[in-house]
Amino acid sequence: GENVEQHPSTLSVQEGDSAVIKCTYSDSASNYFPWYKQELGKRPQLIIDIRSNVGEKKDQRIAVTLNKTAKHFSLHITETQPEDSAVYFCAASYRASKIIFGSGTRLSIRP
Amino acid sequence: DAGVIQSPRHEVTEMGQEVTLRCKPISGHNSLFWYRQTMMRGLELLIYFNNNVPIDDSGMPEDRFSAKMPNASFSTLKIQPSEPRDSAVYFCASKGLAGESGELFFGEGSRLTVL
Repeated sequence: GENVEQHPSTLSVQEGDSAVIKCTYSDSASNYFPWYKQELGKRPQLIIDIRSNVGEKKDQRIAVTLNKTAKHFSLHITETQPEDSAVYFCAASYRASKIIFGSGTRLSIRP
Repeated sequence: DAGVIQSPRHEVTEMGQEVTLRCKPISGHNSLFWYRQTMMRGLELLIYFNNNVPIDDSGMPEDRFSAKMPNASFSTLKIQPSEPRDSAVYFCASKGLAGESGELFFGEGSRLTVL
């Protein structure tokens, strides 16, 4: 069945440094890959997504890359700030229908 | 639109009792998802509906769990009988048709504690 693996489970970086979170997926038919951010006690919210016909997408300090051959995709956050502290979830979906999440990465930004 | 609305926000019950969680999706959305979130297992997909029809319930843990969507504006997730291991935050989420934006809009969640 479908599976999404996410690493690392926790990540601590110095404010201003970059953070990278990696995911792999099992279903080669997956074609939509969103990333969600969940602040403490809040609901998950979409921060960026990428479709399989694109290799990279950027939105200000956030970028996502996709390697379909290897079934890998990654989230890159540059110039990290305290408000980036949260749990980040990757996900994979077929035709943006069934959406399976990774196990989450707790990102902490050290002042 | 007020977004996805879930109730109750918090529920504390005793083992063996029936629990019913409710969800109102965003008007016009035709896909609805139920997820369970725990520290150990993250966000698990329990079931999802397209156009009120259950498409995939392979994530429903066992027969004690059931979900319905009688119309486009309402869904329930029922646990009967409840057990302490069911304690979790249950999220409902909705989105529009496949092919449009795939963004899932989550409700605020229902925090369930089974004693």
